[in-house]
Amino acid sequence: AQSVTQPDIHITVSEGASLELRCNYSYGATPYLFWYVQSPGQGLQLLLKYFSGDTLVQGIKGFEAEFKRSQSSFNLRKPSVHWSDAAEYFCAVGEWGAQKLVFGQGTRLTINP
Amino acid sequence: GAVVSQHPSWVICKSGTSVKIECRSLDFQATTMFWYRQFPKQSLMLMATSNEGSKATYEQGVEKDKFLINHASLTLSTLTVTSAHPEDSSFYICSAPRPQTQETQYFGPGTRLLVL
Repeated sequence: AQSVTQPDIHITVSEGASLELRCNYSYGATPYLFWYVQSPGQGLQLLLKYFSGDTLVQGIKGFEAEFKRSQSSFNLRKPSVHWSDAAEYFCAVGEWGAQKLVFGQGTRLTINP
Repeated sequence: GAVVSQHPSWVICKSGTSVKIECRSLDFQATTMFWYRQFPKQSLMLMATSNEGSKATYEQGVEKDKFLINHASLTLSTLTVTSAHPEDSSFYICSAPRPQTQETQYFGPGTRLLVL
């Protein structure tokens, strides 16, 4: 069965600093990988996804992620964070594409002014 | 763009009562919808797959008699928590896939249930 691990439960960075959120997955075939952001009172919003092709994917809000098959990782990055990026971030792997998503534990991002 | 709504956004009920949560796809049809449960500061766990016109498919460990799912139309799925108890208190989220593609899920804003 597929699984997703986000090793960092909580990360604090200063505004303007770079960010990397870690995600490791376990899946038998080529995975469909996603990063979602969850803000209080709002639904999950898709940041980016990887299905195939270029292993560096660009998403919304200046985020990017790199798929590394050898490391079973799909880390999320942003060169310079903004206070509005404070939220909960979830990495997910999908069965049949985006169907039946398995989520990681989530990483809560706090931004220091 | 496609939007998924949920109603109510929050509900408080007494132990032993049943609570119905609606999930609607607002501008597209969804033959399949998914129901997730999220405990505080934890991840989303898939509970069941709602299928229009047929029975829902439940994940292992989810009590189908406790969590009744009805996919009454191509735009509406309902989750009924029967005889709710305090341990059923949680955040319930539904999602629906983007039409004609398997690449994107649209998530509802969630329903927070508190059982007293």
